[in-house]
Formats: sequence, C-alpha cells, structure tokens
Amino acid sequence: RKEVEQDPGPFNVPEGATVAFNCTYSNSASQSFFWYRQDCRKEPKLLMSVYSSGNEDGRFTAQLNRASQYISLLIRDSKLSDSATYLCVVSLSGGSYIPTFGRGTSLIVHP
Amino acid sequence: DGGITQSPKYLFRKEGQNVTLSCEQNLNHDAMYWYRQDPGQGLRLIYYSQIVNDFQKGDIAEGYSVSREKKESFPLTVTSAQKNPTAFYLCASSIQGAAEQFFGPGTRLTVL
Repeated sequence: RKEVEQDPGPFNVPEGATVAFNCTYSNSASQSFFWYRQDCRKEPKLLMSVYSSGNEDGRFTAQLNRASQYISLLIRDSKLSDSATYLCVVSLSGGSYIPTFGRGTSLIVHP
Repeated sequence: DGGITQSPKYLFRKEGQNVTLSCEQNLNHDAMYWYRQDPGQGLRLIYYSQIVNDFQKGDIAEGYSVSREKKESFPLTVTSAQKNPTAFYLCASSIQGAAEQFFGPGTRLTVL
C-alpha cells in the first residue's frame, strides 16, 4: 500500500458545483497534513493546513478522519480558476521527518 | 521580499554533460529539498537537507549530487549518470522537516 494515495481524477465539474477529494494515508502515527494546489507547469503552493478539528478558508474546507486515516478537501461553488491539481501531503511530527506527497487529484471546472 | 528562487527557468543540455541547478532561499529555513516531476506524475524526492553541511538521499538520488555549504543555498547537479534527466525540477524549503514547504518556480531541464 502506498503511503499517501489520491484518486488522480480528473474530476470534471460545472461552475458552481461542490466537489470533494479524499486522500488516504498508511501511517497511523502521521501528525501533519496539508493540501497544496499545483497549476499546470507551475510549482505547488500551499492551499491549507489540515487541523484535527477541521478548518475552513472561504469556499474550501479541510477535514481529518484519524480513525479511517484520510483527509478530505471540499470545494464549494467551484470557479473556473479552481481548475488545478490538488496534492495531499502527510508527515510524521518532528523536525527529522519529511513530508510525503500524494500524486495529486486533477480538477477541471467547466462553464 | 522573502522567497525561494531557482535558476534558470529553462535549461537545455547535451547528453553526457553535467548540469547544476541553482536554488536559493532567504526565508531562514533550515530544511531544503529537491524534487523531480515528470509529466502527469507526482513529486519524487531526490535529496533533502535539514541542516547546513548535511544532506540525505531521497527516493531517486542515483545520478544526482547536492551540496549544502550555506543555509540559503542547495544546488543540485544532474550528472551524466542520470539515465533520463529531462524533467521539471522543484526546490523547496521549510522551517523544519515536518512543516509546510515553500517551493521555488522550478527549472525545466531538457537533455538533447
């Protein structure tokens, strides 16, 4: 089983739709979780950290389910500009550990 | 402005030549990383460094070398031993290992 798994998609949704991605991780000791956004031929950029209690930033909501070992990203009222690849990142806690990136989920928002 | 820079943006080299990619950060981050990304693929870790004068191999270190003589700099050399070097190379830094990473704009290397 891969350490961090994502459905590569693409998820093809109309503008205004709500879409959700999941990301599963294999190491139950993982403590740090992030979602990154990567536009075509660009570098990944941090979208949001994922906290145990869940967190929201505008149209984006991230949640953590430790029992089932997955994190999720919910995008409400999708915009054309949300089209990108969304990378899930998981890490153990502590300075000596390095994060593990998922392969990403592609989102295409169409008019 | 604080940030992480990579140069050049595009690089073309002949097969058999070594090439060095630059990565500089002024974020005062201890940890720095090099990733490779192939079309339609995820990020693969080449090397990382968590402190000056120390670095560790990642998942695909063969054919690559790095140095970390200064906190702000982490150059990557793609050697002639790397069998398929054409790819998008991304450098990143973070305060420490498990923290969020900040990426440079990347270097697209094409070996002809």
